[in-house]
Amino acid sequence: DGGITQSPKYLFRKEGQNVTLSCEQNLNHDAMYWYRQDPGQGLRLIYYSQIVNDFQKGDIAEGYSVSREKKESFPLTVTSAQKNPTAFYLCASSILGGGSTDTQYFGPGTRLTVL
Amino acid sequence: QQQVKQSPQSLIVQKGGISIINCAYENTAFDYFPWYQQFPGKGPALLIAIRPDVSEKKEGRFTISFNKSAKQFSLHIMDSQPGDSATYFCAASKSSYKLIFGSGTRLLVRP
Repeated sequence: DGGITQSPKYLFRKEGQNVTLSCEQNLNHDAMYWYRQDPGQGLRLIYYSQIVNDFQKGDIAEGYSVSREKKESFPLTVTSAQKNPTAFYLCASSILGGGSTDTQYFGPGTRLTVL
Repeated sequence: QQQVKQSPQSLIVQKGGISIINCAYENTAFDYFPWYQQFPGKGPALLIAIRPDVSEKKEGRFTISFNKSAKQFSLHIMDSQPGDSATYFCAASKSSYKLIFGSGTRLLVRP
């Protein structure tokens, strides 16, 4: 059963804590992405990675960190420096075939709530 | 210049009617325009996509119309069904891996 899995589905964090969101894909895709979605808004890019051991900041990287030690895994850490972390976090992946027609496939998301 | 503006914010359509969602962009370097469908609590799923070398693309009840000179593209859902009720996002990219998303349109199809 191929696809993108994210865990946990729901996550609660106390202020001042770091939390890590998991994203795994078995599609053999080269690129992986993290987006943040706030109510009534579009998706904003946090980080993306095109190859193992390399990643780039997106539009809203402050307060977040990532790693890409394996092709199939791209965990996102929400640090205590992120002032407003409550949101729906989406992971995506795509094949890198050259050009902009590489479809991004999304996981089911993790809803993070800061208590 | 990186923005993609989407309208309307919400849309209510009767079953069997046509749903139309519009997007506009500024950056003429954009060359890939996908539409995503998202149900509550789920990740977005690709619905249909178009490149600027064609003016229209149809897949079943879903059609993208593309107007390169006006820098606009739209999604038409024919014979709208209650199961189409979801949030729809347009997006654009310019030969890169970064999609720029519109703000979304919440569609409600009444029975």
